Amino acid sequence: AQKITQTQPGMFVQEKEAVTLDCTYDTSDQSYGLFWYKQPSSGEMIFLIYQGSYDEQNATEGRYSLNFQKARKSANLVISASQLGDSAMYFCAMRENSGGGADGLTFGKGTHLIIQP
Amino acid sequence: KAGVTQTPRYLIKTRGQQVTLSCSPISGHRSVSWYQQTPGQGLQFLFEYFSETQRNKGNFPGRFSGRQFSNSRSEMNVSTLELGDSALYLCASSLINPVDLARETQYFGPGTRLLVL
Repeated sequence: AQKITQTQPGMFVQEKEAVTLDCTYDTSDQSYGLFWYKQPSSGEMIFLIYQGSYDEQNATEGRYSLNFQKARKSANLVISASQLGDSAMYFCAMRENSGGGADGLTFGKGTHLIIQP
Repeated sequence: KAGVTQTPRYLIKTRGQQVTLSCSPISGHRSVSWYQQTPGQGLQFLFEYFSETQRNKGNFPGRFSGRQFSNSRSEMNVSTLELGDSALYLCASSLINPVDLARETQYFGPGTRLLVL
């Protein structure tokens, strides 16, 4: 079973609109971290936002916010006032705490976001 | 502060050869992780090093190996290259959070694009 599911392979959004990118995850760990990364066509993965499993408040970083619903195991990324430069692949990732240390990041398949003028 | 650097950025090899990729982490970061990204398999965790010791390992064959030096720089090696090893290899570094390892945010370099012919 996939640990990270991103159900939107691609999205077209008008500039200045808000956009929500979906992410659901599967883990039996109580302690885990959820991350969103942006990957432009250049290939570099850019860290956007982090949410810890014990964090009660939804994380926010500038125009990025994370809609964390722990009971539903979802961690959707919300981008407010989208810009042309937001066009990129977006990956949701999770890091679980395994015995003795954390595993590497597990990534979803990504969402290709295209912002249209 | 300088970001994660990876060398070389592009590489072409033939089947059966071996390759060594290099990664310099962000100053002060002591953990280095490696990931492989392919169109078919997506982003997959290879291994993670901390204090010159492998802390975690993904599900890759023994042809993939790595090491970390005392200055936290890391190398990964792929021996007996196969066509399927063609990929973007991403290195990421992070600070260590001994209290909650799942909180360690990984910052990625630009990647090395490897083409195996």
